[in-house]
Amino acid sequence: ELKVEQNPLFLSMQEGKNYTIYCNYSTTSDRLYWYRQDPGKSLESLFVLLSNGAVKQEGRLMASLDTKARLSTLHITAAVHDLSATYFCAVEEGGSEKLVFGKGTKLTVNP
Amino acid sequence: ETGVTQTPRHLVMGMTNKKSLKCEQHLGHNAMYWYKQSAKKPLELMFVYSLEERVENNSVPSRFSPECPNSSHLFLHLHTLQPEDSALYLCASSQVRLAGEFTGELFFGEGSRLTVL
Repeated sequence: ELKVEQNPLFLSMQEGKNYTIYCNYSTTSDRLYWYRQDPGKSLESLFVLLSNGAVKQEGRLMASLDTKARLSTLHITAAVHDLSATYFCAVEEGGSEKLVFGKGTKLTVNP
Repeated sequence: ETGVTQTPRHLVMGMTNKKSLKCEQHLGHNAMYWYKQSAKKPLELMFVYSLEERVENNSVPSRFSPECPNSSHLFLHLHTLQPEDSALYLCASSQVRLAGEFTGELFFGEGSRLTVL
């Protein structure tokens, strides 16, 4: 059974600082996704990582995937308040149409 | 309307009621999903319909009954629910290639917040 673990689950950081959110998963998969959810809102797709070594960047966020280590990172550079949200990683389970989600990392960026 | 829309956004029901959640996608996708989001658990996949056929029924209790009349619409029929079923129910859609390969990226609606008294 595929398990996906994120850490930290809660992250409070100051504007301008850098930090990394980690996503580990338990079984082989080549596909990993990052989503953002604002309070009371839907999940918004951020990054789709489809191969080992994939790196995607959008603004102050950069995501990478190491399938051998079963690890993805979401790096935040020079955080701003607008990045405050909950970030989820999700891993595709064994060629199925099923995504298994982590518990999410609630990020709060303080002025 | 664009994207994935869900109605109602909020629903309060008693344990003996019967209600339905509705989802409509305007993205031309051919797969639709129901997820449950509870406060203390990760998102749980409940049902998947791909090309209008159910391909996943993740051991969901029979008090939840999905219906997918066409590729744009998805329903979740609810009856004799329990208080622990209170949660945010999210609908999502994606495009599955005709050869069956799952492209992965899900597009979510804003959810239906269900409270069972």
